[in-house]
Amino acid sequence: GAGVSQSPRYKVAKRGQDVALRCDPISGHVSLFWYQQALGQGPEFLTYFQNEAQLDKSGLPSDRFFAERPEGSVSTLKIQRTQQEDSAVYLCASKRGFDEQYFGPGTRLTVT
Amino acid sequence: RKEVEQDPGPFNVPEGATVAFNCTYSNSASQSFFWYRQDCRKEPKLLMSVYSSGNEDGRFTAQLNRASQYISLLIRDSKLSDSATYLCVVNRMEYGNKLVFGAGTILRVKS
Repeated sequence: GAGVSQSPRYKVAKRGQDVALRCDPISGHVSLFWYQQALGQGPEFLTYFQNEAQLDKSGLPSDRFFAERPEGSVSTLKIQRTQQEDSAVYLCASKRGFDEQYFGPGTRLTVT
Repeated sequence: RKEVEQDPGPFNVPEGATVAFNCTYSNSASQSFFWYRQDCRKEPKLLMSVYSSGNEDGRFTAQLNRASQYISLLIRDSKLSDSATYLCVVNRMEYGNKLVFGAGTILRVKS
């Protein structure tokens, strides 16, 4: 079956631009997570949705980061006024119940 | 100090070798433990869960010591295809059971 998909796979943004990263979770998966993975590091938690409710956004690094999942399916992570330190791979994961989290391929963001 | 600490490596081993990775975690409230594998420029994938009683999956053996807050992974008879980054992961029973990852240990298996 289809896994988690993310788009775009690669994004180059000039410093100060806004970007929007999309995640399509596995159908029927209630829980959705966003993680940020910097080069040479493990993924770090950003935010968590259960259906359309954002239950934890404690990992968002600044108020320039915003995530939504308005209909409880597709999610968008938006970064406003991108900075060089935002360059990373952004991973989306989804799961159903207490199952494992399934990760998408990630969006590699480069801010120049 | 990071919540999950791993030796970054790289571990360079010949095919057929046995290699062991260790990891420590600092939050005693951690509830579940895993090893993930991540290939270069790919997403992490679950390798195996880790239980206090120890568990084995083919050539892979994982062990958890809750008292010492220590997790290990042993790979026997290494294959070239085992070359990857191995991420030690803990799961806290907070909203959604978010995963907390170590920085990963790089394994390179050479012929």
